[in-house]
Amino acid sequence: NAGVTQTPKFRVLKTGQSMTLLCAQDMNHEYMYWYRQDPGMGLRLIHYSVGEGTTAKGEVPDGYNVSRLKKQNFLLGLESAAPSQTSVYFCASRSGFATTFFGQGTRLTVV
Amino acid sequence: DAKTTQPNSMESNEEEPVHLPCNHSTISGTDYIHWYRQLPSQGPEYVIHGLTSNVNNRMASLAIAEDRKSSTLILHRATLRDAAVYYCILGTGGGADGLTFGKGTHLIIQP
Repeated sequence: NAGVTQTPKFRVLKTGQSMTLLCAQDMNHEYMYWYRQDPGMGLRLIHYSVGEGTTAKGEVPDGYNVSRLKKQNFLLGLESAAPSQTSVYFCASRSGFATTFFGQGTRLTVV
Repeated sequence: DAKTTQPNSMESNEEEPVHLPCNHSTISGTDYIHWYRQLPSQGPEYVIHGLTSNVNNRMASLAIAEDRKSSTLILHRATLRDAAVYYCILGTGGGADGLTFGKGTHLIIQP
């Protein structure tokens, strides 16, 4: 059981470049989430989705876009990366009252 | 959102019990108390959750005050592998809202 898988695990971008982070879950969960975690801080919610084809903004959505074309996948896009987006990104999924499962994270550095 | 207050850090010895406190004086009647932990360089993982009654599972116990304004996560016999940041989080049971993380408690286990 793979759970929540994030791709890639590490990435270095130049300012202004774009990229997409992929999250895949194999638990048939309805809800999926993208968080970011800065050093010494807790996780902050970027965007989330309550089902295929739906997305909603979280606490810190600016500079990011998301898509949920398939139930098992949740993509996070950065159209024009900025140094302030250097962070560790976590994807998570959940279904109903069940617990939330997190991926292992993507460490992104924008130079 | 209802907030929680946790000590920044705590230290304990291996094979001894650990009591991690959490204050949540503004908790609402429908808020569950969730505990997650984050091991170094990993995504958060579920530990335990409860509403009103004390809860036990294979990882830990959760003791909830009668007025629900505070709770304590109990690790019965800490190991070096329990060294992590522990987050106390309030949230509804089945809603789609993501988890709101604070800074948590950094638990240090001494051999």
